[in-house]
Amino acid sequence: DAGVIQSPRHEVTEMGQEVTLRCKPISGHDYLFWYRQTMMRGLELLIYFNNNVPIDDSGMPEDRFSAKMPNASFSTLKIQPSEPRDSAVYFCASSLAGGRGEQFFGPGTRLTVL
Amino acid sequence: SQQGEEDPQALSIQEGENATMNCSYKTSINNLQWYRQNSGRGLVHLILIRSNEREKHSGRLRVTLDTSKKSSSLLITASRAADTASYFCATDFTGGGNKLTFGTGTQLKVEL
Repeated sequence: DAGVIQSPRHEVTEMGQEVTLRCKPISGHDYLFWYRQTMMRGLELLIYFNNNVPIDDSGMPEDRFSAKMPNASFSTLKIQPSEPRDSAVYFCASSLAGGRGEQFFGPGTRLTVL
Repeated sequence: SQQGEEDPQALSIQEGENATMNCSYKTSINNLQWYRQNSGRGLVHLILIRSNEREKHSGRLRVTLDTSKKSSSLLITASRAADTASYFCATDFTGGGNKLTFGTGTQLKVEL
C-alpha cells in the first residue's frame, strides 16, 4: 500500500485566494482525520470523518474552512479566503479504529499564505 | 485544554545513552499512544498502551503508564543518531469521541 497520499506537498498562495488540500486515505480505513501543525499551537485536530460522514468539526477554526469526503478514497480541505495566519503544515491521517488504534499520517502539505 | 504535556521539551544525549520522555494528561483515558516525527515528515506510530496496561515493549522502546498519576513515559534504550526526532504522546480520552489529542512534543537530539 502507498500509505496516505496528500497533495500538493507545498502550496504558496496570496491572501484572499482559495486553497484546496487533498487526501487519499489507506484503502479500507474507515476514519480520516485532518490536522494542522504550527509552532505556536502544536498539532491540532480540525475535523474527522467516519465512513465518509463528518463526526467532529469542533476544531475547524472558522467558516473559512470546510472539509468534504465524497467517497471512501478522497477528502478535501478547503480554505476560502486564505489568510497569512493559515500558514501551517496540514496533515491527513487515516485509521481503522479512530482514536482507539494506530493512525497513519500522510507527508503533509506545507501551506504558506503571503 | 486536555492536551498532554511532554517533558522535557528538548533533550540532547550521546549515542548509546538512554532517552526518557514523559507525558502527563488531565482526564481518564482509553489508551495512550506515542508517535515519532522526523523533521519535515508526517508522524509515525510507535506504540499504543491501553488504560489497563502498565508497561509495554517494542524493540528498544519501553512505555509505562500510571493512570493514578495520569502520566506515561517513553524510554528509548541504546539511542542512535537515527532516533533524532520529535516524540509526541497522544491520548484517547474517555468520552472524548474516539479521537486523539496530541501533546506538545519532546525534541530529541542524539549526537555521535
